[in-house]
Amino acid sequence: GAVVSQHPSWVICKSGTSVKIECRSLDFQATTMFWYRQFPKQSLMLMATSNEGSKATYEQGVEKDKFLINHASLTLSTLTVTSAHPEDSSFYICSARGQAGGYNEQFFGPGTRLTVL
Amino acid sequence: GESVGLHLPTLSVQEGDNSIINCAYSNSASDYFIWYKQESGKGPQFIIDIRSNMDKRQGQRVTVLLNKTVKHLSLQIAATQPGDSAVYFCAGGSQGNLIFGKGTKLSVKP
Repeated sequence: GAVVSQHPSWVICKSGTSVKIECRSLDFQATTMFWYRQFPKQSLMLMATSNEGSKATYEQGVEKDKFLINHASLTLSTLTVTSAHPEDSSFYICSARGQAGGYNEQFFGPGTRLTVL
Repeated sequence: GESVGLHLPTLSVQEGDNSIINCAYSNSASDYFIWYKQESGKGPQFIIDIRSNMDKRQGQRVTVLLNKTVKHLSLQIAATQPGDSAVYFCAGGSQGNLIFGKGTKLSVKP
């Protein structure tokens, strides 16, 4: 399947700082990217869906001013956690889907583990 | 609200045995289902999918069964191997959105 990368793979930051996570589709153009959050021993929860060149659509309960998503190109989406707090510590996973892709063409990145001290 | 859940949080099987992981969903409009495997500290990996117009699909060592009447699907893994140890998620889709179930942790005993 296609490859989706995330950077960094893990990050530790102080409370109040902002953290940017990059998601790249390496060998295909992703018109749609998804950002998920996963707490320990829990399932993936969709945070937002972004289409290239347009504003992200956030799920209910996800603060768009706290979790800034930019999908500036067909191969890159970024998630910025602003003024991070310990409760934001989680595993963040992105997923990318190509232009002609259906559900089964949604490929997942390896995830980024964020720890906020 | 809409949900996709799994019946058992953990499943332990002997190496070589068959594994069956179950999943229930609530949204009858879901028209697509996927099983993912997630190893510790990694992102989900696609295993197999099935559309709502099918009730069975087979892959390599895996079979997915879909019962739309009771909104239930299962993943069967034949001849389970130690490398199959992971958390397995089912996900249901409708109109482009996937909803993930809670996950079942499969442990394979040698």
